[in-house]
Amino acid sequence: TQLLEQSPQFLSIQEGENLTVYCNSSSVFSSLQWYRQEPGEGPVLLVTVVTGGEVKKLKRLTFQFGDARKDSSLHITAAQPGDTGLYLCARAGNNRLAFGKGNQVVVIP
Amino acid sequence: DTGVSQNPRHKITKRGQNVTFRCDPISEHNRLYWYRQTLGQGPEFLTYFQNEAQLEKSRLLSDRFSAERPKGSFSTLEIQRTEQGDSAMYLCASSFPVRVYEQYFGPGTRLTVT
Repeated sequence: TQLLEQSPQFLSIQEGENLTVYCNSSSVFSSLQWYRQEPGEGPVLLVTVVTGGEVKKLKRLTFQFGDARKDSSLHITAAQPGDTGLYLCARAGNNRLAFGKGNQVVVIP
Repeated sequence: DTGVSQNPRHKITKRGQNVTFRCDPISEHNRLYWYRQTLGQGPEFLTYFQNEAQLEKSRLLSDRFSAERPKGSFSTLEIQRTEQGDSAMYLCASSFPVRVYEQYFGPGTRLTVT
């Protein structure tokens, strides 16, 4: 059972455009992680957010944690083909990570 | 390379055969996790170890699945009498026990059961 809802499931944009994807839950997160996964590879940890309202930046990627700690967004500025991948949000709890289905992002050169 | 490694990367087997996968975690990490990922889904938790002790197994892990971590270092995941529904990517991850939220994943083993 996937407890995290990610939207949109698929997004295709041109190189240089901006995009935002979302991760939502009906319950509060103690912490939330964003991972990126490329085809045939394991997920790679991008960021962990813990505090409501927190904003973290990783080069052209901006991660925001909702004030109520029930949602998060990932914004990519001036997307590049190298940003193509499956973006997964996950919550840690009960000694495991629970993932959403992911946001598949394709950046067209 | 000191990341998590998994072998083999790909495995094709016939239904009914047994398969075994290996995971070598980051050496300082004493927590090791197994996840399964099917097409269009995020990874789903299967089981985890702290050192050599297997502390929890998901209901997804049927009796045909067994995992071991005999010396608290590498781990193996065995699937007996494989079924087509076992086809998936099997991912291994490791972490420090106090940082469960920072798990580092291996490249996965892609299993195809024909």
